[in-house]
Amino acid sequence: GENVEQHPSTLSVQEGDSAVIKCTYSDSASNYFPWYKQELGKRPQLIIDIRSNVGEKKDQRIAVTLNKTAKHFSLHITETQPEDSAVYFCAATQTSGTYKYIFGTGTRLKVLA
Amino acid sequence: GAGVSQSPRYKVAKRGQDVALRCDPISGHVSLFWYQQALGQGPEFLTYFQNEAQLDKSGLPSDRFFAERPEGSVSTLKIQRTQQEDSAVYLCASSPDLTSGIQETQYFGPGTRLLVL
Repeated sequence: GENVEQHPSTLSVQEGDSAVIKCTYSDSASNYFPWYKQELGKRPQLIIDIRSNVGEKKDQRIAVTLNKTAKHFSLHITETQPEDSAVYFCAATQTSGTYKYIFGTGTRLKVLA
Repeated sequence: GAGVSQSPRYKVAKRGQDVALRCDPISGHVSLFWYQQALGQGPEFLTYFQNEAQLDKSGLPSDRFFAERPEGSVSTLKIQRTQQEDSAVYLCASSPDLTSGIQETQYFGPGTRLLVL
């Protein structure tokens, strides 16, 4: 079945630096890739997503890139701030069939002031 | 507007008890999902509804787990004879209408944290 691997599991950066989180997926039929931010005890919140017909998408300090050939996608956060500290999850899904999300194992990001 | 809500937020059960977890999706959302999130892990798919129809229950870990959505709105996840390994956060998510091919985003509730002693 579909598998999503996510790296690194933890990431510490200085405030103002950039952070990059990488995910790989196994099912070439996957065509939608959301990223969620989850603060301790809170619900996962969508921060950005990308569809397979696009290679890159940016929203202010957050960007996502997708390489369909290599089956990997990455989250880039620039000018990190302490409030960016959270656990980030990538996911992959197909826009047909069951539509279920397959999540990565998460990255705990710590932004040091 | 109101987001996805879940109740209770916390549930402590003794091993062997039955529990029922409720999910209120965003009004008008056709698609509804349940996920299980173990400590330090990503959410794992349990089951999916399109209106009242349960179209995929392949992620339910055993026949002790049962989900329903009788009127196509509120959903209940029931766990019978709870075991310690059932301890996790149970997340509900809803989406407008995945079959439209337009909106794939799932909106998550805050989850129910279940602890089985």
